[in-house]
Amino acid sequence: EAAVTQSPRNKVAVTGGKVTLSCNQTNNHNNMYWYRQDTGHGLRLIHYSYGAGSTEKGDIPDGYKASRPSQENFSLILELATPSQTSVYFCASGDADWSAETLYFGSGTRLTVL
Amino acid sequence: AQSVTQPDARVTVSEGASLQLRCKYSYFGTPYLFWYVQYPRQGLQLLLKYYPGDPVVQGVNGFEAEFSKSNSSFHLRKASVHWSDWAVYFCAVSQDSNYQLIWGSGTKLIIKP
Repeated sequence: EAAVTQSPRNKVAVTGGKVTLSCNQTNNHNNMYWYRQDTGHGLRLIHYSYGAGSTEKGDIPDGYKASRPSQENFSLILELATPSQTSVYFCASGDADWSAETLYFGSGTRLTVL
Repeated sequence: AQSVTQPDARVTVSEGASLQLRCKYSYFGTPYLFWYVQYPRQGLQLLLKYYPGDPVVQGVNGFEAEFSKSNSSFHLRKASVHWSDWAVYFCAVSQDSNYQLIWGSGTKLIIKP
């Protein structure tokens, strides 16, 4: 069974603070993704990675950094958190079947920036 | 530009009734299409995906979807819904350029007892 684990499950941060969201996958997938989910917007891609050491910008990368130190781990970093970054964040790994890639999602991190 | 539209934000269906959730896409060429489901307080999981070929795709838990090139649609169907189908359903299309998914905004399915 494909497994993607996110931590923390919930996070409250202050404006201007640094936030790190962590993701670990045991699927041995090369591709990993960070999305945010907001009502009415569906899922929006923030950053993604094709393997250890690689990060790519998605559709809404401003205000976010990503780090992929290993095959298993992919972090999302908010250096200076803002209230507009309050959202639910999902990490996913992908089986790299090109156009037909299946994504495996974690359970999400609910971030509130006060 | 490629896009996915789910015109219904919420759909309410009685338990045991049939279901159709609508998805319209805009795409040049042959699309790869997906339906994902998000159960309460969980991440998304794949329900089914369409490869070019047979227009009707079977998925898990009795779901199926039908691809229509002429209507630019990929509607999700189920013959008889169960209370456990209460969830948010997302349609997505794979982009040509980089295989990233373009997501619809989701349809929340509510089951009436």
